[in-house]
Amino acid sequence: DTAVSQTPKYLVTQMGNDKSIKCEQNLGHDTMYWYKQDSKKFLKIMFSYNNKELIINETVPNRFSPKSPDKAHLNLHINSLELGDSAVYFCASSQERSGATHYGYTFGSGTRLTVV
Amino acid sequence: LAKTTQPISMDSYEGQEVNITCSHNNIATNDYITWYQQFPSQGPRFIIQGYKTKVTNEVASLFIPADRKSSTLSLPRVSLSDTAVYYCLVVGGYNTNAGKSTFGDGTTLTVKP
Repeated sequence: DTAVSQTPKYLVTQMGNDKSIKCEQNLGHDTMYWYKQDSKKFLKIMFSYNNKELIINETVPNRFSPKSPDKAHLNLHINSLELGDSAVYFCASSQERSGATHYGYTFGSGTRLTVV
Repeated sequence: LAKTTQPISMDSYEGQEVNITCSHNNIATNDYITWYQQFPSQGPRFIIQGYKTKVTNEVASLFIPADRKSSTLSLPRVSLSDTAVYYCLVVGGYNTNAGKSTFGDGTTLTVKP
């Protein structure tokens, strides 16, 4: 059983289209994240949800909208795709109980988005 | 959160010990230091985490000096399969930036036969 699973693994689409990436974790973690990794391998956090509540929203264009229907799922919807959105998007989860030690992130295998 | 600085790349040979040092001068009192490994076409994988002194697990050791402004990941007797990118992260502790983190640029380790 994959702990953090993302779909699709590859996504090729034209500029201007709208697309979604789905993420699910079966670890029972309370916090989920979206990271973007560009062609230079820099990993930047985009969003974080804790128990369906948005807690981190870095400087990301509002064309990107995360949605968390429950604490096991965090989806990413992207409107009006641009060439610069091409990257690998990683979903991750962790357990972040208040007052408790952080125990590390578990990452999915990534979604390679190519905008043409 | 503290910004991290680590070497861009390192080369080693099979069987050698590899030490990768990360600087995090502005680390806060409640922050933890974690290291991740990433292979091509995969997500980063948690290796080890520490707060101070030394931590060891079945994969690596992590050395953190008393001032905590740097840390060193030590990989004993590397093999070809240890070729990967290694990221040092400072993770916010509770009541501060809990769960927030900044990935550094990563160190590409190449292990040669």
